[in-house]
Amino acid sequence: AQSVTQLDSQVPVFEEAPVELRCNYSSSVSVYLFWYVQYPNQGLQLLLKYLSGSTLVESINGFEAEFNKSQTSFHLRKPSVHISDTAEYFCAANHGGTSYGKLTFGQGTILTVHP
Amino acid sequence: DTEVTQTPKHLVMGMTNKKSLKCEQHMGHRAMYWYKQKAKKPPELMFVYSYEKLSINESVPSRFSPECPNSSLLNLHLHALQPEDSALYLCASSQVDRGGSPLHFGNGTRLTVT
Repeated sequence: AQSVTQLDSQVPVFEEAPVELRCNYSSSVSVYLFWYVQYPNQGLQLLLKYLSGSTLVESINGFEAEFNKSQTSFHLRKPSVHISDTAEYFCAANHGGTSYGKLTFGQGTILTVHP
Repeated sequence: DTEVTQTPKHLVMGMTNKKSLKCEQHMGHRAMYWYKQKAKKPPELMFVYSYEKLSINESVPSRFSPECPNSSLLNLHLHALQPEDSALYLCASSQVDRGGSPLHFGNGTRLTVT
């Protein structure tokens, strides 16, 4: 079975500090990787995605993630966080083929940014 | 603002009630999904509709009955639920492809079964 592992359930950081949220996925011939963010009492919003091509993908709000095939990782980074980045972050994978829509989610990482 | 609209935002129902959750999208997506999310857990897939036909049912109990009346609408009919069914129910939509299209989620319906 496919799996996604988020290594940290909670990450506390101070405002303007850098942060890395770790994600590893089970290897597959083809895989599509996503990071979603969920603010309290809301649904999930797409932060960024990796489909193919450049291994570094960026979002519009300063987050980036790097696809590393040899380490089967897709870690999320931000060089300087804001209070408003406090939320839960989910890494997800879709291994393509006939499994469209069947995202495998990690357990989530709660990022708390302190002033 | 989310492009997937879910109603109601909150729902409290007794175990003998019948209620429905509604979801609407106008992005032209032909795949629609129901997910269930318990507190501090990731979403769990319940159903997938593709081109208005049910394509995936993740062994969901029959007290949950999905319906896709047209390409923009998705309903989830609820009957004889149990307290453990209390959760956030999320609707999502996407293009139909081999998995690369991201899902667009609504803000969910917070369901409490008493």
